[in-house]
Amino acid sequence: DGGITQSPKYLFRKEGQNVTLSCEQNLNHDAMYWYRQDPGQGLRLIYYSQIVNDFQKGDIAEGYSVSREKKESFPLTVTSAQKNPTAFYLCASRNRGWDSPLHFGNGTRLTVT
Amino acid sequence: AQKVTQAQTEISVVEKEDVTLDCVYETRDTTYYLFWYKQPPSGELVFLIRRNSFDEQNEISGRYSWNFQKSTSSFNFTITASQVVDSAVYFCALSEPLPPPVKGDYKLSFGAGTTVTVRA
Repeated sequence: DGGITQSPKYLFRKEGQNVTLSCEQNLNHDAMYWYRQDPGQGLRLIYYSQIVNDFQKGDIAEGYSVSREKKESFPLTVTSAQKNPTAFYLCASRNRGWDSPLHFGNGTRLTVT
Repeated sequence: AQKVTQAQTEISVVEKEDVTLDCVYETRDTTYYLFWYKQPPSGELVFLIRRNSFDEQNEISGRYSWNFQKSTSSFNFTITASQVVDSAVYFCALSEPLPPPVKGDYKLSFGAGTTVTVRA
């Protein structure tokens, strides 16, 4: 079955360390996205990518970096510059076109202490 | 700026009761899409419905129904005869065109979500 795989499900890091969250999709979608979810809040867009080797900053990109070397993969690095990294991170993908909905992965819960 | 408001933070009902989730949005775009997603305890967001701004027909899918009223900028969601498995966080979302250089694509602006708890 096609889908979006995020790993790991839970991730623990010490403050000051960079950490990379994995996102892989086999839906053959061109566009991929990273969202952050905090308790009691909706999702906020971190980065997005429409095609391989190209990506743009979303609403809260500071302290994060991404790469898009393959169509299937869109890893997110949470750097030590991110002031409040503890959150639930969701990866999503979709086909091009206005009527195509976002499909989400299961998420990674990152805890930084 | 785009904005989605889900005024209800939490709703608790007894099984078989109906529950209606409110969603009010703000946009200057003439063409847009509205979405509802369900987030069960597992964490994954599950797509429920998409509605474009030109289609104000209400829709029913099983126990789910949606009421889109452009005049009041609302897109409300009703679960009829709720079940314990309906317990989840429900998000309303609005499409927002991505800025240049991207063309023909959008991001989603999400409401804060409504937590629905259905008790047996």
